[in-house]
Amino acid sequence: ETGVTQTPRHLVMGMTNKKSLKCEQHLGHNAMYWYKQSAKKPLELMFVYSLEERVENNSVPSRFSPECPNSSHLFLHLHTLQPEDSALYLCASSQSISGEAFFGQGTRLTVV
Amino acid sequence: GENVEQHPSTLSVQEGDSAVIKCTYSDSASNYFPWYKQELGKRPQLIIDIRSNVGEKKDQRIAVTLNKTAKHFSLHITETQPEDSAVYFCAASRSAGANNLFFGTGTRLTVIP
Repeated sequence: ETGVTQTPRHLVMGMTNKKSLKCEQHLGHNAMYWYKQSAKKPLELMFVYSLEERVENNSVPSRFSPECPNSSHLFLHLHTLQPEDSALYLCASSQSISGEAFFGQGTRLTVV
Repeated sequence: GENVEQHPSTLSVQEGDSAVIKCTYSDSASNYFPWYKQELGKRPQLIIDIRSNVGEKKDQRIAVTLNKTAKHFSLHITETQPEDSAVYFCAASRSAGANNLFFGTGTRLTVIP
């Protein structure tokens, strides 16, 4: 599928590792988002970027570090994660902050 | 902040029957209510949404109703089919957009052939 693409689809990392999640959108959108989806919990908005500027950071621990080099790419840099950070991390984009969100398929992260 | 509650967490129906999923929200300023469908291993996809100036919206076999006074909204699926099996999420937002969405915990719908 085209649209919003996330890599990798699955990631297993140790607590001392550093890894990055990548998101790319081919929809010409100006806003991009990171969400966390844990079992039996609501989808949680982590970060919002609009025109490559971060507009929201929902009290996310500093071990998660987002980067938006341009309007088509979004990264989530991970370091010294905890096992409770294991979850599905979803990227989304929208035409603008007020537009409908289109989600990627997510990266299933397991921290061991 | 907003708190969205969704019920039931699981729902099984026979093929052809109707399914109803209900959500309540706490922030009276919320005015945009989308529903997402997430099939196993796939991305959440918007299936229908409703804004606060409308009480009901239909799209073929799916419909959403909104009661602003009671602060609840519901998803109705009629003539269910096996391909309707998925997890459905409701959400509420103060703006008609993705930057301020508060999601429910999801409902796993199983349609039994």
